[in-house]
This record gives sequence, C-alpha cells and structure tokens, in this order.
Amino acid sequence: DTGVSQNPRHKITKRGQNVTFRCDPISEHNRLYWYRQTLGQGPEFLTYFQNEAQLEKSRLLSDRFSAERPKGSFSTLEIQRTEQGDSAMYLCASSPTGGRTSRDTQYFGPGTRLTVL
Amino acid sequence: RKEVEQDPGPFNVPEGATVAFNCTYSNSASQSFFWYRQDCRKEPKLLMSVYSSGNEDGRFTAQLNRASQYISLLIRDSKLSDSATYLCVVNRGTGGRRALTFGSGTRLQVQP
Repeated sequence: DTGVSQNPRHKITKRGQNVTFRCDPISEHNRLYWYRQTLGQGPEFLTYFQNEAQLEKSRLLSDRFSAERPKGSFSTLEIQRTEQGDSAMYLCASSPTGGRTSRDTQYFGPGTRLTVL
Repeated sequence: RKEVEQDPGPFNVPEGATVAFNCTYSNSASQSFFWYRQDCRKEPKLLMSVYSSGNEDGRFTAQLNRASQYISLLIRDSKLSDSATYLCVVNRGTGGRRALTFGSGTRLQVQP
C-alpha cells in the first residue's frame, strides 16, 4: 500500500497523559499536513511541513501540541497533558511539490482516533 | 462566521435523482477550490477540483462563481454508493500557505 499511513489507528488515554501519533506520507511527497476533525465538522488545519521545515501553524496548535518531521519523511504529532477536548480524529495528509500552484492535491491517511477519558 | 459555509443536510434522495449542493466562502483571496467526499469514519478523499470555467467528471459537475464566492456540486443519476458527506474545500494559497479550509460538510443519503 503506497498511501499515507498513520499509527496508531486508535488511542485511548487518560486526561493528563502524553500521546504521540505517527504519519508516514506517500513516498516522495515533500509536503505534509496535520488536521483535526471532530464529530459533525470538517477537518481543521493544525500545521504544515515542507520537507523538514514547519512552515505554518494554526492558532489551534496550542503549546501542548508539537509536531516534528526530522528527516523530511515521517512526522510525529505529540500532545502533552491531554484534555478531554483533545478527543478527535487526527488526520495526516501529504502532497507533492507542484511549483507555485496551490492546487496540489492532498492525500489523506486513515487518521488516528484519540479518546481522552 | 465560518470561512466556508455549507448546508449540513441531510439530503435524502431516491436513486436516480439529481441533487445539488452549494457552498459559500468568505475569503476573496482563495485561490483553489475542491470537493472532497468522506464516508462514515473514513478519511476525506478528493472528488474533484473546481475550475472557474466549471468542470464535469461523469455524473458530477462542479461550478465556481468567484464574484459571488459560491461553489456548487451537481450529482446526476444518484447511486446508493454516492451516500456520503461532501466537503467543500478552499485553499488560499497565498504567501506560501498550503492549508485547506473545509466546510462542515453536507450529508447525502441515497435511498433505494
């Protein structure tokens, strides 16, 4: 399977614990995005990497959230001191470089569903 | 006000019907436009990009009106397999911004 993969697919944790999710983008896609989706809403942008550089962060990304993409391949999203409001689906997407166009299609992974008890 | 607004539905239609979804966006700097489809508890998948001249892909037709900041999706001859949530998506794409902004989605249920 050459699509975007995410691990784990499900995570249940207790409030206050730290969690880390991993995303492996499509090979050779140098752009990687994290989104969060809650029930009944569309995905909301969290952050974006081009290669290893984190180029954009949403105001939704509080200081408890950190994302890395150390070698420009896979990425991790860590949430520290989880809160019940962090319960959501965390989606990763990747896209190839398309010059200056913003039409790059973003391909989404299956997501990690986080439940904070 | 949300940046991308959609009627949440649900739209319940019989097989074979034609159904239209509308979407408005607030940021006139938006550069590119898409419809994504999302099945229950699955990831969003690109259905089609939307171009200024309008475009068609089989039973699906998308239209964009930049002056009115309005996007539409028409589905003809609905199939049971079209049942899903349809997400209207815009990308500002300025100053290096690549993030997609999604509407909340319109749910379609095609009934036999």
